[in-house]
Amino acid sequence: GAVVSQHPSRVICKSGTSVKIECRSLDFQATTMFWYRQFPKKSLMLMATSNEGSKATYEQGVEKDKFLINHASLTLSTLTVTSAHPEDSSFYICSARGNRDYEQYFGPGTRLTVT
Amino acid sequence: GQNIDQPTEMTATEGAIVQINCTYQTSGFNGLFWYQQHAGEAPTFLSYNVLDGLEEKGRFSSFLSRSKGYSYLLLKELQMKDSASYLCACMDSNYQLIWGAGTKLIIKP
Repeated sequence: GAVVSQHPSRVICKSGTSVKIECRSLDFQATTMFWYRQFPKKSLMLMATSNEGSKATYEQGVEKDKFLINHASLTLSTLTVTSAHPEDSSFYICSARGNRDYEQYFGPGTRLTVT
Repeated sequence: GQNIDQPTEMTATEGAIVQINCTYQTSGFNGLFWYQQHAGEAPTFLSYNVLDGLEEKGRFSSFLSRSKGYSYLLLKELQMKDSASYLCACMDSNYQLIWGAGTKLIIKP
């Protein structure tokens, strides 16, 4: 199957700083990328959907000025958590979908801890 | 509204068979997915059903009834490594995935 990478896999940052998470589709062109957040023992929560070259569509309740999403190319999307706070600590997962396939391919996730 | 229901937790014995049910109500329907997620890891794809019936893939099978809004994932010859959460997700008319809360499957020796 298609491969999606995510970097970093783990990050610890101080409150007030910003953190950037990269999501790359390695062997296919991802016209759409999704960013999810998952709390312990909970299901995936969709944060936003991004299409290459256009602004991301955020789900209700997700602050677009806090969670900046850039989908500059068909293989790369980034999520920047700005002015991070301890409550932003979570597991962030991206997924990617190509033109021909309805399946979403997930990245390995990024564990963010804000101290 | 859109809703996916699946049991929170199930327990089964190594070597046995377990069936995880999922019922759904969505705005439009473009298929149902099952994913496996081990603790601390991202979900991995197991199956996709868009037509009624049973899809078999090795030890895992998935069934769909569109008229009943119902699916199940059947796991045979359970192994300890099958202990994980199993997520049911439906693709709605906008090709967006609607996720269930997941079923935590505990396998006992």
